[in-house]
Amino acid sequence: KNQVEQSPQSLIILEGKNCTLQCNYTVSPFSNLRWYKQDTGRGPVSLTIMTFSENTKSNGRYTATLDADTKQSSLHITASQLSDSASYICVGGGLILTGGGNKLTFGTGTQLKVEL
Amino acid sequence: NAGVTQTPKFRVLKTGQSMTLLCAQDMNHEYMYWYRQDPGMGLRLIHYSVGEGTTAKGEVPDGYNVSRLKKQNFLLGLESAAPSQTSVYFCASSYPLVNGGNNQPQHFGDGTRLSIL
Repeated sequence: KNQVEQSPQSLIILEGKNCTLQCNYTVSPFSNLRWYKQDTGRGPVSLTIMTFSENTKSNGRYTATLDADTKQSSLHITASQLSDSASYICVGGGLILTGGGNKLTFGTGTQLKVEL
Repeated sequence: NAGVTQTPKFRVLKTGQSMTLLCAQDMNHEYMYWYRQDPGMGLRLIHYSVGEGTTAKGEVPDGYNVSRLKKQNFLLGLESAAPSQTSVYFCASSYPLVNGGNNQPQHFGDGTRLSIL
Protein backbone atom coordinates (compact mmCIF):
# COMPACT_ATOMS: atom_id res chain seq x y z
CA LYS A 1 0.00 0.00 0.00
CA ASN A 2 1.32 3.42 -0.94
CA GLN A 3 2.05 5.69 2.00
CA VAL A 4 3.44 9.14 2.69
CA GLU A 5 4.50 10.02 6.22
CA GLN A 6 5.44 13.50 7.33
CA SER A 7 7.25 14.83 10.36
CA PRO A 8 6.87 16.70 12.52
CA GLN A 9 3.08 16.86 12.76
CA SER A 10 3.31 20.45 13.91
CA LEU A 11 5.99 23.05 14.33
CA ILE A 12 6.21 26.53 15.79
CA ILE A 13 9.05 28.85 14.80
CA LEU A 14 9.88 32.53 15.15
CA GLU A 15 9.61 34.84 12.21
CA GLY A 16 12.86 35.08 10.29
CA LYS A 17 14.04 31.60 11.29
CA ASN A 18 14.58 28.69 8.92
CA CYS A 19 12.94 25.30 9.20
CA THR A 20 12.96 21.92 7.49
CA LEU A 21 10.01 19.59 7.09
CA GLN A 22 10.50 15.88 6.44
CA CYS A 23 8.70 13.36 4.27
CA ASN A 24 9.16 9.60 3.88
CA TYR A 25 7.29 7.91 1.10
CA THR A 26 6.49 4.44 -0.08
CA VAL A 27 4.99 4.88 -3.53
CA SER A 28 5.36 2.25 -6.19
CA PRO A 29 5.82 2.76 -9.02
CA PHE A 30 7.29 6.14 -8.15
CA SER A 31 7.20 9.00 -10.59
CA ASN A 32 7.42 12.32 -8.78
CA LEU A 33 7.36 14.03 -5.41
CA ARG A 34 5.29 17.15 -4.78
CA TRP A 35 4.95 19.68 -2.03
CA TYR A 36 1.80 21.69 -1.51
CA LYS A 37 0.97 24.56 0.83
CA GLN A 38 -2.53 24.68 2.28
CA ASP A 39 -3.70 27.78 4.12
CA THR A 40 -6.51 27.34 6.63
CA GLY A 41 -9.83 27.18 4.84
CA ARG A 42 -8.23 27.13 1.38
CA GLY A 43 -7.27 24.53 -1.16
CA PRO A 44 -3.71 23.23 -1.57
CA VAL A 45 -1.34 25.23 -3.75
CA SER A 46 1.55 23.59 -5.56
CA LEU A 47 5.04 24.60 -4.41
CA THR A 48 7.35 22.16 -6.19
CA ILE A 49 7.29 19.00 -8.27
CA MET A 50 10.40 16.81 -8.60
CA THR A 51 10.81 13.77 -10.78
CA PHE A 52 12.75 10.76 -9.49
CA SER A 53 15.86 12.06 -11.31
CA GLU A 54 15.86 15.47 -9.65
CA ASN A 55 17.58 16.13 -6.33
CA THR A 56 16.43 19.63 -5.55
CA LYS A 57 14.01 22.29 -6.68
CA SER A 58 13.41 25.80 -5.41
CA ASN A 59 10.47 28.14 -5.44
CA GLY A 60 11.45 31.42 -3.84
CA ARG A 61 12.21 30.80 -0.16
CA TYR A 62 11.09 27.18 -0.48
CA THR A 63 13.63 24.50 -1.42
CA ALA A 64 12.67 20.87 -1.76
CA THR A 65 15.11 17.98 -1.87
CA LEU A 66 14.59 14.41 -2.95
CA ASP A 67 16.57 11.26 -2.27
CA ALA A 68 14.96 8.54 -4.34
CA ASP A 69 17.30 5.90 -2.92
CA THR A 70 16.19 6.42 0.67
CA LYS A 71 12.70 7.54 -0.36
CA GLN A 72 12.95 10.75 1.57
CA SER A 73 12.18 14.35 0.78
CA SER A 74 12.48 17.56 2.70
CA LEU A 75 11.12 21.06 2.35
CA HIS A 76 13.33 23.85 3.64
CA ILE A 77 11.84 27.26 4.33
CA THR A 78 14.26 30.15 4.56
CA ALA A 79 13.70 33.36 6.50
CA SER A 80 10.18 32.44 7.51
CA GLN A 81 7.34 34.95 7.38
CA LEU A 82 4.01 35.08 9.17
CA SER A 83 2.35 34.21 5.85
CA ASP A 84 4.19 30.89 5.85
CA SER A 85 1.84 29.68 8.57
CA ALA A 86 0.00 26.83 6.88
CA SER A 87 -0.11 23.08 6.43
CA TYR A 88 2.57 21.70 4.13
CA ILE A 89 1.60 18.52 2.36
CA CYS A 90 3.99 16.03 0.81
CA VAL A 91 2.57 14.08 -2.12
CA GLY A 92 3.91 11.05 -3.95
CA GLY A 93 3.06 10.73 -7.63
CA GLY A 94 2.73 7.15 -8.77
CA LEU A 95 1.17 5.11 -11.46
CA ILE A 96 -0.80 6.59 -14.25
CA LEU A 97 -4.53 6.56 -13.83
CA THR A 98 -6.65 4.86 -16.46
CA GLY A 99 -6.84 7.25 -19.39
CA GLY A 100 -4.07 9.47 -18.09
CA GLY A 101 -3.27 11.62 -15.10
CA ASN A 102 -1.13 10.76 -12.13
CA LYS A 103 -2.36 8.95 -9.04
CA LEU A 104 -1.28 10.94 -6.03
CA THR A 105 -0.74 9.71 -2.48
CA PHE A 106 -1.10 12.57 -0.01
CA GLY A 107 0.53 12.88 3.38
CA THR A 108 -1.40 14.31 6.30
CA GLY A 109 0.70 17.47 6.39
CA THR A 110 2.93 19.37 8.79
CA GLN A 111 1.16 22.26 10.45
CA LEU A 112 3.59 25.19 10.62
CA LYS A 113 2.99 28.26 12.73
CA VAL A 114 5.27 31.27 12.44
CA GLU A 115 5.17 33.65 15.38
CA LEU A 116 6.55 37.11 16.06
CA ASN B 1 -8.42 34.92 -13.07
CA ALA B 2 -10.73 32.64 -11.08
CA GLY B 3 -8.88 29.31 -11.52
CA VAL B 4 -10.98 26.56 -9.92
CA THR B 5 -14.27 27.62 -8.37
CA GLN B 6 -16.37 25.38 -6.15
CA THR B 7 -19.97 25.94 -5.12
CA PRO B 8 -21.39 25.90 -2.57
CA LYS B 9 -18.73 26.66 0.03
CA PHE B 10 -20.73 25.22 2.92
CA ARG B 11 -23.72 22.94 3.17
CA VAL B 12 -25.56 21.01 5.86
CA LEU B 13 -27.66 18.03 4.82
CA LYS B 14 -29.82 15.51 6.57
CA THR B 15 -29.16 11.81 6.13
CA GLY B 16 -30.78 10.55 2.96
CA GLN B 17 -30.88 13.90 1.18
CA SER B 18 -29.21 14.41 -2.17
CA MET B 19 -27.11 17.22 -3.50
CA THR B 20 -24.68 18.19 -6.24
CA LEU B 21 -21.37 19.95 -5.80
CA LEU B 22 -20.23 22.05 -8.73
CA CYS B 23 -16.68 22.62 -9.87
CA ALA B 24 -15.77 25.04 -12.64
CA GLN B 25 -12.32 25.79 -14.05
CA ASP B 26 -11.30 28.48 -16.51
CA MET B 27 -7.80 27.20 -17.36
CA ASN B 28 -8.89 24.94 -20.22
CA HIS B 29 -7.58 21.89 -18.34
CA GLU B 30 -8.35 18.45 -19.69
CA TYR B 31 -8.15 16.63 -16.38
CA MET B 32 -10.38 17.22 -13.40
CA TYR B 33 -10.56 15.47 -10.02
CA TRP B 34 -12.70 15.24 -6.91
CA TYR B 35 -11.05 14.60 -3.53
CA ARG B 36 -12.21 14.44 0.03
CA GLN B 37 -10.15 15.60 3.00
CA ASP B 38 -10.85 14.16 6.44
CA PRO B 39 -9.12 14.92 9.76
CA GLY B 40 -5.95 12.90 10.21
CA MET B 41 -6.01 11.62 6.66
CA GLY B 42 -4.48 12.75 3.43
CA LEU B 43 -6.66 13.78 0.51
CA ARG B 44 -8.28 10.81 -1.17
CA LEU B 45 -9.40 10.63 -4.78
CA ILE B 46 -13.12 10.02 -5.29
CA HIS B 47 -13.57 10.25 -9.06
CA TYR B 48 -11.71 11.87 -11.90
CA SER B 49 -12.13 12.80 -15.54
CA VAL B 50 -9.58 12.94 -18.34
CA GLY B 51 -11.84 14.77 -20.74
CA GLU B 52 -15.33 15.94 -21.58
CA GLY B 53 -17.80 13.09 -21.39
CA THR B 54 -15.42 10.69 -19.60
CA THR B 55 -15.24 9.80 -15.91
CA ALA B 56 -13.51 7.11 -13.86
CA LYS B 57 -13.45 5.86 -10.28
CA GLY B 58 -10.78 6.82 -7.81
CA GLU B 59 -9.97 5.10 -4.53
CA VAL B 60 -13.15 6.00 -2.58
CA PRO B 61 -15.98 6.21 -5.15
CA ASP B 62 -18.80 4.49 -3.27
CA GLY B 63 -21.82 6.70 -2.62
CA TYR B 64 -20.81 9.30 -5.20
CA ASN B 65 -21.50 9.90 -8.87
CA VAL B 66 -19.96 12.40 -11.26
CA SER B 67 -20.59 13.95 -14.63
CA ARG B 68 -18.49 15.98 -17.03
CA LEU B 69 -20.83 17.26 -19.72
CA LYS B 70 -18.70 20.34 -20.42
CA LYS B 71 -14.93 20.57 -20.35
CA GLN B 72 -14.94 23.34 -17.79
CA ASN B 73 -17.38 21.74 -15.33
CA PHE B 74 -17.17 18.64 -13.14
CA LEU B 75 -20.14 17.75 -10.94
CA LEU B 76 -20.08 15.53 -7.87
CA GLY B 77 -23.37 14.06 -6.72
CA LEU B 78 -24.46 12.44 -3.50
CA GLU B 79 -27.67 10.54 -4.13
CA SER B 80 -28.42 9.59 -0.51
CA ALA B 81 -26.15 11.37 1.91
CA ALA B 82 -24.73 9.48 4.90
CA PRO B 83 -22.96 10.86 8.00
CA SER B 84 -19.75 9.14 6.81
CA GLN B 85 -19.72 11.57 3.89
CA THR B 86 -19.23 14.54 6.19
CA SER B 87 -15.99 15.97 4.87
CA VAL B 88 -14.32 18.79 2.98
CA TYR B 89 -14.51 18.19 -0.76
CA PHE B 90 -11.89 19.57 -3.10
CA CYS B 91 -11.99 19.79 -6.84
CA ALA B 92 -8.77 20.03 -8.82
CA SER B 93 -7.78 20.33 -12.46
CA SER B 94 -4.61 19.90 -14.47
CA TYR B 95 -3.18 19.74 -17.98
CA PRO B 96 -2.78 16.27 -19.44
CA LEU B 97 0.49 14.38 -19.57
CA VAL B 98 2.99 16.06 -21.86
CA ASN B 99 5.42 14.00 -23.88
CA GLY B 100 4.95 11.09 -21.52
CA GLY B 101 5.78 13.18 -18.49
CA ASN B 102 3.50 13.51 -15.53
CA ASN B 103 4.70 16.61 -13.79
CA GLN B 104 1.64 18.70 -14.23
CA PRO B 105 0.57 20.36 -10.99
CA GLN B 106 -3.01 20.02 -9.92
CA HIS B 107 -4.81 23.29 -9.23
CA PHE B 108 -7.29 23.11 -6.39
CA GLY B 109 -10.42 25.00 -5.52
CA ASP B 110 -11.06 26.20 -1.98
CA GLY B 111 -13.34 23.35 -1.06
CA THR B 112 -16.92 22.64 -0.06
CA ARG B 113 -17.46 21.93 3.61
CA LEU B 114 -20.26 19.40 3.88
CA SER B 115 -21.89 18.24 7.09
CA ILE B 116 -24.44 15.45 7.13
CA LEU B 117 -26.58 15.08 10.19
